[in-house]
Amino acid sequence: GEDVEQSLFLSVREGDSSVINCTYTDSSSTYLYWYKQEPGAGLQLLTYIFSNMDMKQDQRLTVLLNKKDKHLSLRIADTQTGDSAIYFCAEGRGSNYKLTFGKGTLLTVNP
Amino acid sequence: DVKVTQSSRYLVKRTGEKVFLECVQDMDHENMFWYRQDPGLGLRLIYFSYDVKMKEKGDIPEGYSVSREKKERFSLILESASTNQTSMYLCASSLMPSGSGEQFFGPGTRLTVL
Repeated sequence: GEDVEQSLFLSVREGDSSVINCTYTDSSSTYLYWYKQEPGAGLQLLTYIFSNMDMKQDQRLTVLLNKKDKHLSLRIADTQTGDSAIYFCAEGRGSNYKLTFGKGTLLTVNP
Repeated sequence: DVKVTQSSRYLVKRTGEKVFLECVQDMDHENMFWYRQDPGLGLRLIYFSYDVKMKEKGDIPEGYSVSREKKERFSLILESASTNQTSMYLCASSLMPSGSGEQFFGPGTRLTVL
């Protein structure tokens, strides 16, 4: 199958860390991506990781990739109310970089 | 800055009408994509194009067609709109074959079919 799975909801307190998890099925995926969608807007690329990497850090964001388990996670440190959004995991493969998206995780940050 | 624009943010049409959704990118990207987004279903690929006049069906092409006459413009056509096509439509583009393949999205068009 070609499913990308994510939990649908996550709720955290402001200042805590958020961890959003994703599993994918295709071991030939070249790149894995995290997108953010704010209400009423399109998707914005947050970060991506090449499949031969284990970890990537970018300011408050840390991406961990476990290729053996086909598991990807996004950690947001010091989560703020402005981080409330839907987060999509996606995998890319093939020469035309068609992406397969998960259904998205709605992150709610409570003050 | 990378920019993908869509012709309308909100659109209301009647059942049976022909509907055109336009997408323009200014990044000279080869690939362009049309998705629809529905609650609980995530993003589903309708059609994509990897070159001018080239198109390929995505996962849910039924009821839709596309046109790519110029590299920067990709149009989605609903030949005869139906209420089950009420949705958020997202256009995206990406560079091929080099680069990390990330897709850049437009702001979306929320289409309501009455």
